Amino acid sequence: DAKTTQPTSMDCAEGRAANLPCNHSTISGNEYVYWYRQIHSQGPQYIIHGLKNNETNEMASLIITEDRKSSTLILPHATLRDTAVYYCIVASGYALNFGKGTSLLVTP
Amino acid sequence: EAQVTQNPRYLITVTGKKLTVTCSQNMNHEYMSWYRQDPGLGLRQIYYSMNVEVTDKGDVPEGYKVSRKEKRNFPLILESPSPNQTSLYFCASSYRRSPLHFGNGTRLTVT
Repeated sequence: DAKTTQPTSMDCAEGRAANLPCNHSTISGNEYVYWYRQIHSQGPQYIIHGLKNNETNEMASLIITEDRKSSTLILPHATLRDTAVYYCIVASGYALNFGKGTSLLVTP
Repeated sequence: EAQVTQNPRYLITVTGKKLTVTCSQNMNHEYMSWYRQDPGLGLRQIYYSMNVEVTDKGDVPEGYKVSRKEKRNFPLILESPSPNQTSLYFCASSYRRSPLHFGNGTRLTVT
């Protein structure tokens, strides 16, 4: 599976949009981009995934560049409860390599 | 409610004393997996199972065993725990290639 590169940490003011970038320049054609988050030491929580089109659900939006080499997870109105580690994962099968993720801190 | 249930949530044991961490899911998922999480190392896959009686090693299988005799259960067995297996453990399941559902974790300390 392709590797991903994410910033180690980011800050965001409450109520503002949080834009979390992810580079996956070696992604192959059948690999999806998944985003999960982990709040404190709870089990990781699925957020969203996509192949090549942009996706939106009740939690977030996923923007994938046309060449699929990078993507951005957007939390449109971040709240304090969105403080978590966010993992960007590229995979074609069941096994997901979680890496170290981005630690997002939402501040009042 | 759809869920993955792990037990126990916390466990303190001594070196060499066999233990089992249970994992059960009520979603009829065919795929189940165990991960461990350590500071600075992220989540690493220990074992996974594609279906009943089908299991395979992940990235860090040494010192662990699993079994999949029923679709809903996927216990993690430590035959002779050692201090380097002190970690936070997560069980997960999914259907086909749908997103993984995770349990709430088991924090294991081996002294």
